Amino acid sequence: KAGVTQTPRYLIKTRGQQVTLSCSPISGHRSVSWYQQTPGQGLQFLFEYFSETQRNKGNFPGRFSGRQFSNSRSEMNVSTLELGDSALYLCASSLGGLRNTEAFFGQGTRLTVV
Amino acid sequence: AQSVTQLDSQVPVFEEAPVELRCNYSSSVSVYLFWYVQYPNQGLQLLLKYLSGSTLVKGINGFEAEFNKSQTSFHLRKPSVHISDTAEYFCAVAGIQGAQKLVFGQGTRLTINP
Repeated sequence: KAGVTQTPRYLIKTRGQQVTLSCSPISGHRSVSWYQQTPGQGLQFLFEYFSETQRNKGNFPGRFSGRQFSNSRSEMNVSTLELGDSALYLCASSLGGLRNTEAFFGQGTRLTVV
Repeated sequence: AQSVTQLDSQVPVFEEAPVELRCNYSSSVSVYLFWYVQYPNQGLQLLLKYLSGSTLVKGINGFEAEFNKSQTSFHLRKPSVHISDTAEYFCAVAGIQGAQKLVFGQGTRLTINP
C-alpha cells in the first residue's frame, strides 16, 4: 500500500510569487490535513479537507488556501510569498471519521522563499 | 482549545541507558494523545497513541507512554535506547471530536551518545 506522497520535495521561490503544493493520500483515505513546520513556530495546523470540503482551519492568513479533489488528492496554495513562509509543509491523510485517530504523514515539501 | 508543552528541548543520553521525554497538555475537552518521531528530512511517524482504557500504552521500537489525567501528562519512556533512536520527538493532542486537528508540542531532540 503506497504511503502519502507529496510533490515536489523541494521548492525555491521568490518573494511575491505564488506556489502550489500537492498531496496524494493513502488509497481509501478521505481526509487530508496540512501542517507548516518551522524552527521558530514548530508544527502548526493549516487546514483539513474531507470529501472536498474544508472541515477545519488553523490561524493562518488568507494567503494560504487549499482544495481537495474528488479522488481525495489535495493541493495547497500560498500567494504573495513572504520570507517567513519558508518551511517544511507536511500533509497527513486519514480515513476521516471525526474520531479516527490514525494520521499518516508524507515526507513533506521544503519551501524556501528568497 | 488545546496546548502541549514538552518540557525538554534537548535530551542527551548514552546508548543503552533509559530515557524519559516529558509532555504536559491542557484542554477543556476530552482528548486523544500521541507521540510522533521525525528523522532528519523525513515526515512524522506515529510511535504510539492513547485513546482510552489502560493508561500505559505500548508503541513501536520499544517505546511506551503513561497517561496521567490528574497531572495532565503523557510522558514517553524507553528502558534502553539505541543510536538509531536519535531523532526529534513530538507530543501531540487532539480533541476527540476533531481528531484530524493535531496540536503539537515544540519537540524534544533526543541525542544518543555511544
